[in-house]
Amino acid sequence: QQQVKQSPQSLIVQKGGIPIINCAYENTAFDYFPWYQQFPGKGPALLIAIRPDVSEKKEGRFTISFNKSAKQFSLHIMDSQPGDSATYFCAASTYTGFQKLVFGTGTRLLVSP
Amino acid sequence: GAVVSQHPSWVICKSGTSVKIECRSLDFQATTMFWYRQFPKQSLMLMATSNEGSKATYEQGVEKDKFLINHASLTLSTLTVTSAHPEDSSFYICSAPDRGHGGYTFGSGTRLTVV
Repeated sequence: QQQVKQSPQSLIVQKGGIPIINCAYENTAFDYFPWYQQFPGKGPALLIAIRPDVSEKKEGRFTISFNKSAKQFSLHIMDSQPGDSATYFCAASTYTGFQKLVFGTGTRLLVSP
Repeated sequence: GAVVSQHPSWVICKSGTSVKIECRSLDFQATTMFWYRQFPKQSLMLMATSNEGSKATYEQGVEKDKFLINHASLTLSTLTVTSAHPEDSSFYICSAPDRGHGGYTFGSGTRLTVV
């Protein structure tokens, strides 16, 4: 119930491509779904987050698609750049009360020049 | 945005000694702090949740006597790894909810190496 399943484990795309990372959850109490980017040796940094009241949110080159009925959400990175090469984590939590974040297993993205 | 300052960024210690990691919220009050552990190429694993002025809540399987957490003020939480052993070598990260802006802010992490 507390798990967030993330796929793929790793991903290689060419510069300009659109990598897509998918996550699925079980706990219907989750109502906050952030995506984090992590570079080696650094803490995670928030990229973008979505609440269940919308099906899509876009910030710059990053877009979250959210399917409440399927309990799935995904991250799309438009016009990917080599500097986007990092590990991406999805997460889920209950927004009210700021309960603990449950993280996905992570996706290592490599954007080749 | 909210900032959580974590120190040290890396530390090497001898087996059997204790190491303290500090996390400070710089521009907001962190009534709650989450402490994570991350092994290479793995996800973040929640170790414990600390609340200002009360005892920390530890996740199943985490030794509370080994990983001492103190949250004595609204801006400072500390994690002390006691009697460290090589298997405690890991990347430790703190995180606090930023109720003013929503979301969670993460520290920059501490790389602990026990030799």
